Amino acid sequence: AQSVTQPDIHITVSEGASLELRCNYSYGATPYLFWYVQSPGQGLQLLLKYFSGDTLVQGIKGFEAEFKRSQSSFNLRKPSVHWSDAAEYFCAVGSNFGNEKLTFGTGTRLTIIP
Amino acid sequence: DTAVSQTPKYLVTQMGNDKSIKCEQNLGHDTMYWYKQDSKKFLKIMFSYNNKELIINETVPNRFSPKSPDKAHLNLHINSLELGDSAVYFCASSPGGGPRLFFGPGTRLTVL
Repeated sequence: AQSVTQPDIHITVSEGASLELRCNYSYGATPYLFWYVQSPGQGLQLLLKYFSGDTLVQGIKGFEAEFKRSQSSFNLRKPSVHWSDAAEYFCAVGSNFGNEKLTFGTGTRLTIIP
Repeated sequence: DTAVSQTPKYLVTQMGNDKSIKCEQNLGHDTMYWYKQDSKKFLKIMFSYNNKELIINETVPNRFSPKSPDKAHLNLHINSLELGDSAVYFCASSPGGGPRLFFGPGTRLTVL
């Protein structure tokens, strides 16, 4: 069965500092990997996705993530965070086999301090 | 233009009541989903429909009954509401059942 682990429940960083959110997955085949962001009281918005090809993927809002097959990881990074990045971040794994479900991690809450 | 919309946004009700949440998508997708997000923010799939046909039915009490009148709509009806049903319910859609999901804004259900 597929699973996603986000080991950090809550991370606090200073505005302007760099950020890395960790994600490890377990999946029997080539995974499709996603990062979603949920701002307070809002739905989920896709930040970026990895399907194949270049293992470093760029997303919206200046985020990027790197797929490392050997480590079963898909960590999210941003070189300089902004106060508006404070939100809940979810990593997810799925496949492109039709109608398979997307499995989410438990999320990492990001707090930004001035 | 809202891609995936849900109504209502907030729903407060008493235990034992029956309630419905509606979802509509105007993206032309043929697969729609209901996800439940509990108080710890954990997201878990409940159901998925493809072209009005039930595809995924996770271990959900049969008090929950999804209905898809057409491929643009997926409603969720809940009978005999219990305290543990309090959560945020997200509707989502995807093209061809693929893994890229488009989420609605969520419905926060509170059962008193």
